[in-house]
Amino acid sequence: QQQVKQSPQSLIVQKGGISIINCAYENTAFDYFPWYQQFPGKGPALLIAIRPDVSEKKEGRFTISFNKSAKQFSLHIMDSQPGDSATYFCAVPVRGNNRLAFGKGNQVVVIP
Amino acid sequence: DADVTQTPRNRITKTGKRIMLECSQTKGHDRMYWYRQDPGLGLQLIYYSFDVKDINKGEISDGYSVSRQAQAKFSLSLESAIPNQTALYFCATSDLKASGNLYFGPGTRLTVL
Repeated sequence: QQQVKQSPQSLIVQKGGISIINCAYENTAFDYFPWYQQFPGKGPALLIAIRPDVSEKKEGRFTISFNKSAKQFSLHIMDSQPGDSATYFCAVPVRGNNRLAFGKGNQVVVIP
Repeated sequence: DADVTQTPRNRITKTGKRIMLECSQTKGHDRMYWYRQDPGLGLQLIYYSFDVKDINKGEISDGYSVSRQAQAKFSLSLESAIPNQTALYFCATSDLKASGNLYFGPGTRLTVL
Protein backbone atom coordinates (compact mmCIF):
# COMPACT_ATOMS: atom_id res chain seq x y z
CA GLN A 1 0.00 0.00 0.00
CA GLN A 2 1.43 3.35 -1.03
CA GLN A 3 2.03 5.76 1.85
CA VAL A 4 1.77 9.44 1.00
CA LYS A 5 2.31 11.94 3.79
CA GLN A 6 1.63 15.65 3.53
CA SER A 7 2.83 18.35 5.89
CA PRO A 8 1.89 20.62 7.51
CA GLN A 9 -1.76 19.63 7.90
CA SER A 10 -2.77 23.29 7.84
CA LEU A 11 -1.06 26.56 7.11
CA ILE A 12 -1.99 30.20 7.66
CA VAL A 13 -0.11 32.74 5.57
CA GLN A 14 -0.31 36.50 5.24
CA LYS A 15 -1.20 37.90 1.83
CA GLY A 16 1.98 38.30 -0.16
CA GLY A 17 3.82 35.62 1.77
CA ILE A 18 5.13 32.26 0.62
CA SER A 19 3.19 29.07 1.28
CA ILE A 20 5.20 25.85 1.33
CA ILE A 21 3.61 22.43 1.63
CA ASN A 22 5.37 19.12 1.43
CA CYS A 23 4.69 15.59 0.25
CA ALA A 24 6.68 12.47 1.09
CA TYR A 25 6.12 9.06 -0.44
CA GLU A 26 7.43 5.52 -0.07
CA ASN A 27 7.40 3.96 -3.51
CA THR A 28 6.16 4.93 -6.91
CA ALA A 29 5.51 3.53 -10.35
CA PHE A 30 5.61 5.83 -13.36
CA ASP A 31 7.16 9.20 -12.91
CA TYR A 32 4.50 11.84 -12.51
CA PHE A 33 3.89 13.86 -9.38
CA PRO A 34 0.86 16.17 -9.32
CA TRP A 35 -0.62 18.64 -6.90
CA TYR A 36 -4.38 19.12 -6.88
CA GLN A 37 -6.24 22.16 -5.58
CA GLN A 38 -9.70 21.96 -4.06
CA PHE A 39 -11.95 24.87 -3.16
CA PRO A 40 -14.85 24.40 -0.73
CA GLY A 41 -17.82 22.79 -2.43
CA LYS A 42 -15.84 21.83 -5.51
CA GLY A 43 -14.02 18.78 -6.80
CA PRO A 44 -10.22 18.77 -6.81
CA ALA A 45 -8.53 20.06 -9.96
CA LEU A 46 -5.01 19.53 -11.24
CA LEU A 47 -2.87 22.53 -10.35
CA ILE A 48 0.63 21.59 -11.41
CA ALA A 49 2.64 18.42 -11.94
CA ILE A 50 6.26 17.44 -12.42
CA ARG A 51 8.20 14.60 -13.97
CA PRO A 52 11.39 13.82 -12.03
CA ASP A 53 13.73 14.33 -14.94
CA VAL A 54 13.71 17.92 -13.69
CA SER A 55 14.09 19.14 -10.12
CA GLU A 56 11.79 22.14 -10.39
CA LYS A 57 8.82 23.32 -12.41
CA LYS A 58 7.25 26.75 -12.25
CA GLU A 59 3.85 27.88 -13.48
CA GLY A 60 3.04 31.43 -12.56
CA ARG A 61 3.16 31.78 -8.79
CA PHE A 62 3.22 28.01 -8.25
CA THR A 63 6.44 25.98 -8.16
CA ILE A 64 7.04 22.28 -7.57
CA SER A 65 10.43 21.26 -6.21
CA PHE A 66 11.30 17.58 -6.49
CA ASN A 67 13.91 15.58 -4.57
CA LYS A 68 13.93 12.06 -5.97
CA SER A 69 16.57 10.67 -3.62
CA ALA A 70 14.61 11.86 -0.59
CA LYS A 71 11.29 10.77 -2.13
CA GLN A 72 9.80 14.18 -1.49
CA PHE A 73 8.27 16.99 -3.48
CA SER A 74 6.89 20.30 -2.37
CA LEU A 75 4.58 23.03 -3.59
CA HIS A 76 5.59 26.66 -3.20
CA ILE A 77 2.98 29.39 -3.62
CA MET A 78 4.70 32.73 -4.11
CA ASP A 79 2.96 36.03 -3.35
CA SER A 80 0.08 34.10 -1.75
CA GLN A 81 -3.38 35.59 -2.31
CA PRO A 82 -6.66 35.09 -0.45
CA GLY A 83 -7.95 33.32 -3.57
CA ASP A 84 -5.30 30.65 -3.01
CA SER A 85 -7.09 29.58 0.18
CA ALA A 86 -7.92 25.95 -0.53
CA THR A 87 -7.01 22.38 0.29
CA TYR A 88 -4.04 21.02 -1.61
CA PHE A 89 -3.53 17.32 -2.28
CA CYS A 90 -0.39 15.67 -3.56
CA ALA A 91 -0.64 12.36 -5.37
CA VAL A 92 1.80 9.60 -6.24
CA PRO A 93 1.44 6.84 -8.84
CA VAL A 94 0.87 3.43 -7.28
CA ARG A 95 3.24 0.72 -8.43
CA GLY A 96 1.53 -2.13 -10.19
CA ASN A 97 -1.87 -0.74 -11.05
CA ASN A 98 -1.46 2.52 -12.85
CA ARG A 99 -3.45 4.82 -10.59
CA LEU A 100 -2.83 7.57 -8.04
CA ALA A 101 -2.65 7.48 -4.24
CA PHE A 102 -3.53 10.80 -2.60
CA GLY A 103 -2.25 12.38 0.56
CA LYS A 104 -4.64 13.60 3.23
CA GLY A 105 -4.44 17.21 2.12
CA ASN A 106 -3.00 20.50 3.35
CA GLN A 107 -5.41 23.30 4.16
CA VAL A 108 -3.95 26.68 3.25
CA VAL A 109 -5.55 29.88 4.47
CA VAL A 110 -4.27 33.21 3.18
CA ILE A 111 -5.32 36.14 5.31
CA PRO A 112 -5.52 39.68 3.90
CA ASP B 1 -21.59 22.21 -19.72
CA ALA B 2 -19.43 20.40 -17.17
CA ASP B 3 -17.21 17.60 -18.48
CA VAL B 4 -17.92 15.33 -15.49
CA THR B 5 -21.36 15.43 -13.93
CA GLN B 6 -22.68 13.69 -10.85
CA THR B 7 -26.24 13.10 -9.72
CA PRO B 8 -27.60 13.68 -7.20
CA ARG B 9 -25.51 16.51 -5.74
CA ASN B 10 -26.95 16.01 -2.28
CA ARG B 11 -28.77 13.06 -0.76
CA ILE B 12 -30.08 12.27 2.69
CA THR B 13 -31.12 8.70 3.30
CA LYS B 14 -31.76 6.27 6.11
CA THR B 15 -29.77 3.30 7.32
CA GLY B 16 -30.44 0.18 5.27
CA LYS B 17 -31.61 1.95 2.13
CA ARG B 18 -30.11 1.23 -1.28
CA ILE B 19 -28.52 4.27 -2.88
CA MET B 20 -27.12 4.81 -6.37
CA LEU B 21 -24.82 7.67 -7.30
CA GLU B 22 -24.38 8.34 -10.98
CA CYS B 23 -21.52 9.80 -12.97
CA SER B 24 -21.41 10.84 -16.61
CA GLN B 25 -18.55 12.30 -18.61
CA THR B 26 -18.21 13.95 -21.99
CA LYS B 27 -14.40 13.93 -22.09
CA GLY B 28 -14.20 10.66 -24.01
CA HIS B 29 -11.91 9.16 -21.38
CA ASP B 30 -11.63 5.42 -20.91
CA ARG B 31 -10.77 5.49 -17.23
CA MET B 32 -13.24 6.34 -14.47
CA TYR B 33 -12.93 6.35 -10.70
CA TRP B 34 -15.01 6.74 -7.56
CA TYR B 35 -13.41 8.44 -4.57
CA ARG B 36 -14.67 9.13 -1.09
CA GLN B 37 -13.59 12.20 0.88
CA ASP B 38 -13.83 12.48 4.64
CA PRO B 39 -12.47 15.41 6.67
CA GLY B 40 -8.84 14.77 7.54
CA LEU B 41 -8.64 11.56 5.54
CA GLY B 42 -8.13 12.92 2.08
CA LEU B 43 -9.31 11.07 -1.01
CA GLN B 44 -9.76 7.32 -0.78
CA LEU B 45 -10.32 5.22 -3.88
CA ILE B 46 -13.42 3.02 -3.81
CA TYR B 47 -13.50 1.48 -7.29
CA TYR B 48 -12.00 2.19 -10.69
CA SER B 49 -12.57 1.07 -14.24
CA PHE B 50 -10.13 1.25 -17.14
CA ASP B 51 -12.73 0.37 -19.77
CA VAL B 52 -16.31 -0.87 -20.03
CA LYS B 53 -15.41 -4.49 -19.26
CA ASP B 54 -12.96 -3.70 -16.48
CA ILE B 55 -13.83 -3.17 -12.79
CA ASN B 56 -11.24 -2.99 -10.00
CA LYS B 57 -11.51 -2.61 -6.24
CA GLY B 58 -9.80 0.31 -4.63
CA GLU B 59 -8.69 0.89 -1.06
CA ILE B 60 -12.15 0.90 0.56
CA SER B 61 -14.55 -1.14 -1.60
CA ASP B 62 -16.41 -2.97 1.18
CA GLY B 63 -20.08 -1.98 1.27
CA TYR B 64 -19.97 -0.54 -2.25
CA SER B 65 -20.52 -1.85 -5.78
CA VAL B 66 -20.17 -0.24 -9.20
CA SER B 67 -21.45 -0.60 -12.72
CA ARG B 68 -19.82 0.69 -15.90
CA GLN B 69 -22.81 0.93 -18.19
CA ALA B 70 -20.95 2.63 -21.04
CA GLN B 71 -17.69 4.41 -21.65
CA ALA B 72 -19.30 7.62 -20.43
CA LYS B 73 -21.19 6.28 -17.40
CA PHE B 74 -20.02 4.84 -14.11
CA SER B 75 -22.39 4.39 -11.17
CA LEU B 76 -21.70 3.68 -7.52
CA SER B 77 -24.17 1.78 -5.34
CA LEU B 78 -24.50 1.39 -1.62
CA GLU B 79 -26.56 -1.76 -1.24
CA SER B 80 -27.48 -1.12 2.40
CA ALA B 81 -26.35 2.30 3.53
CA ILE B 82 -24.88 2.77 7.01
CA PRO B 83 -24.09 6.01 8.88
CA ASN B 84 -20.31 5.72 8.50
CA GLN B 85 -20.81 5.97 4.74
CA THR B 86 -21.77 9.59 5.26
CA ALA B 87 -19.19 11.42 3.16
CA LEU B 88 -18.49 13.43 0.02
CA TYR B 89 -18.22 11.23 -3.07
CA PHE B 90 -16.33 12.20 -6.20
CA CYS B 91 -16.28 10.66 -9.62
CA ALA B 92 -13.18 11.26 -11.74
CA THR B 93 -11.95 10.40 -15.21
CA SER B 94 -8.57 10.18 -16.90
CA ASP B 95 -7.19 9.54 -20.32
CA LEU B 96 -5.37 6.29 -21.04
CA LYS B 97 -2.19 8.16 -21.91
CA ALA B 98 -2.30 10.55 -18.95
CA SER B 99 -3.74 8.54 -16.10
CA GLY B 100 -2.05 10.81 -13.58
CA ASN B 101 -4.23 13.70 -14.66
CA LEU B 102 -7.67 13.22 -13.15
CA TYR B 103 -10.73 15.29 -13.92
CA PHE B 104 -13.11 15.35 -10.96
CA GLY B 105 -16.84 15.90 -10.89
CA PRO B 106 -18.48 18.37 -8.49
CA GLY B 107 -19.19 15.73 -5.86
CA THR B 108 -22.20 14.19 -4.16
CA ARG B 109 -22.75 14.90 -0.48
CA LEU B 110 -24.35 11.80 1.05
CA THR B 111 -25.79 11.71 4.55
CA VAL B 112 -26.95 8.42 6.04
CA LEU B 113 -29.12 8.82 9.13
